[in-house]
Amino acid sequence: DGGITQSPKYLFRKEGQNVTLSCEQNLNHDAMYWYRQDPGQGLRLIYYSQIVNDFQKGDIAEGYSVSREKKESFPLTVTSAQKNPTAFYLCASKEDRIQYFGAGTRLSVL
Amino acid sequence: GESVGLHLPTLSVQEGDNSIINCAYSNSASDYFIWYKQESGKGPQFIIDIRSNMDKRQGQRVTVLLNKTVKHLSLQIAATQPGDSAVYFCAENGRGSTLGRLYFGRGTQLTVWP
Repeated sequence: DGGITQSPKYLFRKEGQNVTLSCEQNLNHDAMYWYRQDPGQGLRLIYYSQIVNDFQKGDIAEGYSVSREKKESFPLTVTSAQKNPTAFYLCASKEDRIQYFGAGTRLSVL
Repeated sequence: GESVGLHLPTLSVQEGDNSIINCAYSNSASDYFIWYKQESGKGPQFIIDIRSNMDKRQGQRVTVLLNKTVKHLSLQIAATQPGDSAVYFCAENGRGSTLGRLYFGRGTQLTVWP
């Protein structure tokens, strides 16, 4: 069953804690993306990666970090420097021009 | 930067009616546009796309129209069903920007009444 898998579905962060959101795809796509979605808002780009071992900052990268050690995986770390992390996080991968999305991770602050 | 927006934040229609969701874009260099459907608590789902060398493209029960003169596109859903209730986003690629990026509008909430 091919697709993009995000985990966990729900995540809670304590103050000062770093948390990592997982994104795995078995579609053999080169490009992957992380977006943040706030209520009533569109998607804002955090980081993207066009190829393994390479990634670029998007529009709201401050307080986030990523890695791309494998083609299939693009984890996002929300660091303690991100003061307002509560949001719905979406991962996507791209084939031709179309981006395909995972089911998302909802992050809340305890 | 690019700006993609929607004329109406909400749209309510009767089941069986046709729906029209509008989107304005600001980057005249954009040459590719996509519509996504997002149900509550889920990730966006690809509906249909269109390139700037086309004015119209049809899918199953959906049609996208592109008017480059006024930088406007619309998504038409025929015979709207309760399962069509969702937020609909348009996105543009902003040609000349970083390869592979999409710029998303805020979305329109479509509600279908029985």
